Amino acid sequence: QQQVKQSPQSLIVQKGGISIINCAYENTAFDYFPWYQQFPGKGPALLIAIRPDVSEKKEGRFTISFNKSAKQFSLHIMDSQPGDSATYFCAASEALYNTDKLIFGTGTRLQVFP
Amino acid sequence: DTAVSQTPKYLVTQMGNDKSIKCEQNLGHDTMYWYKQDSKKFLKIMFSYNNKELIINETVPNRFSPKSPDKAHLNLHINSLELGDSAVYFCASSPWEDTNEKLFFGSGTQLSVL
Repeated sequence: QQQVKQSPQSLIVQKGGISIINCAYENTAFDYFPWYQQFPGKGPALLIAIRPDVSEKKEGRFTISFNKSAKQFSLHIMDSQPGDSATYFCAASEALYNTDKLIFGTGTRLQVFP
Repeated sequence: DTAVSQTPKYLVTQMGNDKSIKCEQNLGHDTMYWYKQDSKKFLKIMFSYNNKELIINETVPNRFSPKSPDKAHLNLHINSLELGDSAVYFCASSPWEDTNEKLFFGSGTQLSVL
């Protein structure tokens, strides 16, 4: 059972465009929602994260939008650049026996063409 | 200096063999993890250790045995390798106060079982 559903599986965007990746979850106990970026041959790296007490968080060209009632959150990449080409994972943190466990989405492969 | 380093980067072996993957972090973190990324890029936690103590043990076959000689090292030993074990294995660490909220991943070990 996939607890964090991510779409699309792949995304092609032209340089300067907006990339949007969506995630949905079911578990209302989730209280932390990070996005990780993974380049080929590398491990994922934390990009940006949000907690449910805010509806939006922006860091540079990257913005997370969070809709608590719909149990959805999304990553927006403004002015997408070829260097943004990577696989993006949304995730959610579930408190389990006082230990958080991060559950990842299935990933979105983003390709930005010049 | 690499923050989370794991060796080897590539591991090709025959079915039935026993192999180990080593992981070291120089970030001073208390918590270390092993994640498995399958061919579809799906990332799933396998184990979590805090200060050498096992915290999370997902439903992983007991052929997989993590060993933490000290809080900077978490090695993964796999017995009787099977074809289905082929995947990329990532070691990660995080500070205890942030647990899963800020994971630092290694570059991965690509395991191919023939």
